[in-house]
Amino acid sequence: QLQLQESGPGLVKPSETLSLTCSVSGGSISGGIYYWGWIRQPPGEGLEWIGSLYYSGGTYYNPSVRSRVTISVDRPKNQFSLKLTSVTAADTAVYFCARHGGDAAGLDLWGQGTLVTVSS
Amino acid sequence: EIVLTQSPATLSLSPGERATLSCRASQSVSNYLAWYQQKAGQAPRLLIYDTSNRATGIPARFSGSGSGTDFSLTISSLEPEDFAVYYCQHRSNWPLTFGGGTKVEIK
Repeated sequence: QLQLQESGPGLVKPSETLSLTCSVSGGSISGGIYYWGWIRQPPGEGLEWIGSLYYSGGTYYNPSVRSRVTISVDRPKNQFSLKLTSVTAADTAVYFCARHGGDAAGLDLWGQGTLVTVSS
Repeated sequence: EIVLTQSPATLSLSPGERATLSCRASQSVSNYLAWYQQKAGQAPRLLIYDTSNRATGIPARFSGSGSGTDFSLTISSLEPEDFAVYYCQHRSNWPLTFGGGTKVEIK
C-alpha cells in the first residue's frame, strides 16, 4: 500500500530556505498519472495548496508563493521535494505532501505532515 | 483565484442528527469539488470527489451534491467519529483552493 512520509528540519531561521522531502513507499512515484503536491496549514488555520508536480515533470505553483517555491522529483530515490526560499514567520505551518489527480479526483493520499517553525 | 466560502463556520449537533454543510464558489467550478474531513493532529482525509463520488472506504452516510457554484456535504446520521473539521476544495483550475472549513462539534 502506497504511503507518503515528509521529512526535513523542524526549525528554519527567517530569510533562509525551507527544504522538505516526501518519500514514497509501497509503490513507484512514476507508477500512474498523478500529481504530487504540497499543502500547508498554519497552526489553528485552514489548508493552503502550495504547488504540485505532474508525473511527466511539469510544475504548478500557487501565485502566493510562486517566486519562492520549487518542487522537484528524484525518481531513483522515489521522492519529491519542496524548497521555499526567504521564509518568514508567516511560513510557519504543518506541511503535508499528497497525491492527486488519479481516478479519485481529489487529494486521495496524504503524508502525516511535519511542523516547520520559522524562528531565529 | 477561485474563493470557496464554507458555512456555517461551526455546526453544533448531537449524534444521530443530520448535518448539512455548504460550500459556495466565487465562480463556477463545474462539478470539480471535493470534501475532506480532518481530525486534530491528523492529515485531511478525502471523503467526496467531483461533487458526489465517495472515496474508497467512505461510509454511505456521507453524500455530496451541487453544481456550478453551490455545493453541500450531508452526513445523514452523525456518528461519534464524525465530529471533526470539514473542508471543500476545487480542482477546476490552478491554483487549487480550499474553503475555510466547517467545524462539526458535539452539542
